Amino acid sequence: EDKVVQSPLSLVVHEGDTVTLNCSYEVTNFRSLLWYKQEKKAPTFLFMLTSSGIEKKSGRLSSILDKKELSSILNITATQTGDSAIYLCAVGDSGGSNYKLTFGKGTLLTVNP
Amino acid sequence: NAGVTQTPKFRVLKTGQSMTLLCAQDMNHEYMYWYRQDPGMGLRLIHYSVGEGTTAKGEVPDGYNVSRLKKQNFLLGLESAAPSQTSVYFCASSPRRDNSPLHFGNGTRLTVT
Repeated sequence: EDKVVQSPLSLVVHEGDTVTLNCSYEVTNFRSLLWYKQEKKAPTFLFMLTSSGIEKKSGRLSSILDKKELSSILNITATQTGDSAIYLCAVGDSGGSNYKLTFGKGTLLTVNP
Repeated sequence: NAGVTQTPKFRVLKTGQSMTLLCAQDMNHEYMYWYRQDPGMGLRLIHYSVGEGTTAKGEVPDGYNVSRLKKQNFLLGLESAAPSQTSVYFCASSPRRDNSPLHFGNGTRLTVT
């Protein structure tokens, strides 16, 4: 059974701080690792990392995949109150011909002014 | 510009009642998914479909049934609701290829009393 573990489960920081969120996984047929941000409603896509693309960056957010350690980190620099959200890590498994994502429990990030 | 649309947005059921949650996507995606999200549990896959007329069980399928009679619609049914099915339900879709981010609907908040 696929398994995705995120840490920490919750985190409280002040505006301007830098945070690192962690995700480790065990999957049978790894295809991709994805990061989502969830505020009030639907999760919104941030990054996808694969064997051919192990580092992604967008503004203050960046993510790295470590295939040897079966893990990934999501970094957020100069945090803002708008970064407060649940950050979800998911791993794509393509066992057989089906593709599905398994999610971790998420990290609740709170950024205080 | 609708993307993935879920109906209803909210519902309260009594134990033993039945209901159907509807998910519709207008992106011509092959794959569709139903997840439930509970506090501290992340997103857990209930059922998914890799094309019209197909369905498969996910991580937590018990107590739910699904149907994919049309490519654009994926229905989730609860035949006899239980309090343990109180949750937020998310539908998602993706194209027919690996390494595709899921596009999520805005969720249905279901309470079973």
